[in-house]
Amino acid sequence: EAGVTQFPSHSVIEKGQTVTLRCDPISGHDNLYWYRRVMGKEIKFLLHFVKESKQDESGMPNNRFLAERTGGTYSTLKVQPAELEDSGVYFCASSLFTGLSGNTIYFGEGSWLTVV
Amino acid sequence: SQKIEQNSEALNIQEGKTATLTCNYTNYSPAYLQWYRQDPGRGPVFLLLIRENEKEKRKERLKVTFDTTLKQSLFHITASQPADSATYLCAGPGGGGADGLTFGKGTHLIIQP
Repeated sequence: EAGVTQFPSHSVIEKGQTVTLRCDPISGHDNLYWYRRVMGKEIKFLLHFVKESKQDESGMPNNRFLAERTGGTYSTLKVQPAELEDSGVYFCASSLFTGLSGNTIYFGEGSWLTVV
Repeated sequence: SQKIEQNSEALNIQEGKTATLTCNYTNYSPAYLQWYRQDPGRGPVFLLLIRENEKEKRKERLKVTFDTTLKQSLFHITASQPADSATYLCAGPGGGGADGLTFGKGTHLIIQP
């Protein structure tokens, strides 16, 4: 069974440009999450999709970030225009279940973004 | 604010010994804590989940405890091997919404042969 796949694995762009990151969750997983880790900091939650609906996007840094999940399958995270502080690793994760009692979440390998 | 804290300094352990990693939480009472392993350049891999009403959980050479009095979880690897060298992350609820996780910075574990 394929895991969570992310593309691109690495991206270097100039400040002001646009980058779109893609995530393919594990087949059948309705729950899809985006997280980010910037240098020296802990991994932080960005948002959560249930199928195609945004369940929570309280972690999105600002309106330069736009996440979509059309059709409830893969998801994209667009940064436009990119700023230097957006550099970091963007992780996508998926899970079969949700719930306050905790569940197993599967992470992708991450998309490493460098803004220069 | 809710916080998960781990000693982010590297922990060096001799092969064959038990490695013990600490996770402390502040300003909240998590219903569960999770432990992940992360290798360089890779994504976190889920290892264990322990709920607040569970004192201890085991999986092969791994053991996790949850002490609500000390507000702490301990993660043990017995009979440690060089292949266990990695960064270990502790996470709990409260990152955002119902399911968003809040992570500690992780502890880098080095098992020396």
